[in-house]
Amino acid sequence: GAGVSQSPRYKVAKRGQDVALRCDPISGHVSLFWYQQALGQGPEFLTYFQNEAQLDKSGLPSDRFFAERPEGSVSTLKIQRTQQEDSAVYLCASSLATSGRGEQYFGPGTRLTVT
Amino acid sequence: QQQVKQSPQSLIVQKGGISIINCAYENTAFDYFPWYQQFPGKGPALLIAIRPDVSEKKEGRFTISFNKSAKQFSLHIMDSQPGDSATYFCAASGGRGSTLGRLYFGRGTQLTVWP
Repeated sequence: GAGVSQSPRYKVAKRGQDVALRCDPISGHVSLFWYQQALGQGPEFLTYFQNEAQLDKSGLPSDRFFAERPEGSVSTLKIQRTQQEDSAVYLCASSLATSGRGEQYFGPGTRLTVT
Repeated sequence: QQQVKQSPQSLIVQKGGISIINCAYENTAFDYFPWYQQFPGKGPALLIAIRPDVSEKKEGRFTISFNKSAKQFSLHIMDSQPGDSATYFCAASGGRGSTLGRLYFGRGTQLTVWP
């Protein structure tokens, strides 16, 4: 399996719970992006990593959202005190290019439902 | 503010027909324009992409037409097949002062190809 993988594929959380979403990028890909896709909408940028450095977190909707990529490979998106408006599909994408430009390969996403 | 505007929202085409989806952008600094195909429950998959130094790019049944002066680009699917039924997203990236690889997506077009 050479593609981007994400886990869990589905997550149901009660409002107020913390969740952690995992992304395994394609091996050797330097750049990693997180996007949020609401139902019936296009993906929206959340944050960008180049190796272990988080270079852009301007898309994170609130300080309840936190992302990390400590060893420059696997990344985790954490959402604290989940709210109903956090319900969405969270997509991870990786790219070989150091700037993140060019082809981005997406994982299948994690569908988060907050009840 | 939607950086990339996509139309139509939905499209129904007969098998063998041509599907055309249009996108427009405002940011003249954008320099990479990909199209993604997404099936239900899957992540977006890169279909074809173009840079503004060419006006057209063709890969198999898929063609991107790019009009730099009008800031518009479109996807043409020739000989549309039922298996092409999916949601299609246009996107754009590039520009100074921002994460170069960050993709700005359109809202998507749901294509249905009738057999």
